[in-house]
Amino acid sequence: GAVVSQHPSRVICKSGTSVKIECRSLDFQATTMFWYRQFPKQSLMLMATSNEGSKATYEQGVEKDKFLINHASLTLSTLTVTSAHPEDSSFYICSASGLDSDLYNEQFFGPGTRLTVL
Amino acid sequence: GEDVEQSLFLSVREGDSSVINCTYTDSSSTYLYWYKQEPGAGLQLLTYIFSNMDMKQDQRLTVLLNKKDKHLSLRIADTQTGDSAIYFCAERDPGTASKLTFGTGTRLQVTL
Repeated sequence: GAVVSQHPSRVICKSGTSVKIECRSLDFQATTMFWYRQFPKQSLMLMATSNEGSKATYEQGVEKDKFLINHASLTLSTLTVTSAHPEDSSFYICSASGLDSDLYNEQFFGPGTRLTVL
Repeated sequence: GEDVEQSLFLSVREGDSSVINCTYTDSSSTYLYWYKQEPGAGLQLLTYIFSNMDMKQDQRLTVLLNKKDKHLSLRIADTQTGDSAIYFCAERDPGTASKLTFGTGTRLQVTL
């Protein structure tokens, strides 16, 4: 149990376009979802925390208008990178946490999405 | 804020034990975790330890926690080539139920 998927796994887009990444909890209800960004050979940086039905909480330095997060249901959260530029190229990972997880408040991670902006 | 630090690289021979170290600064952390990340993939939870424990063993994995020194270690016995990956320690923010702060990551290379 506790499987989290991400789609797409890899995306290449032109500068100036917007890209949407989906994060789904497949077998549990995710009350909270997290979005991370990982640069090559670096650690995960938390971008934002989203609770179902409410606005996301962004970490300091993360642009809300640049990275739009929607958590409209207990199984789906989306991250939209608006007007993407080459510096937005990165590995984006989501995680999900739910009250019915085996470990209370445990985070289960998706496989990640590689975004390349040309 | 919290800073979680790890050494960048560790190389061991197959069959030997690996010890990956982690230091953290937030003494009020409640849970500490070890995650494994293979190339191009997400994170896999390996094990965790409560802050009131000193040691936890799970098959080939042994976690040691020294709260006084804020030091956490992961020992992998009989290291295999499939253990080659990046290992992250993480601490749970006690103020926010689920928020994790990750270490810098240690790349483990297992040689034949």
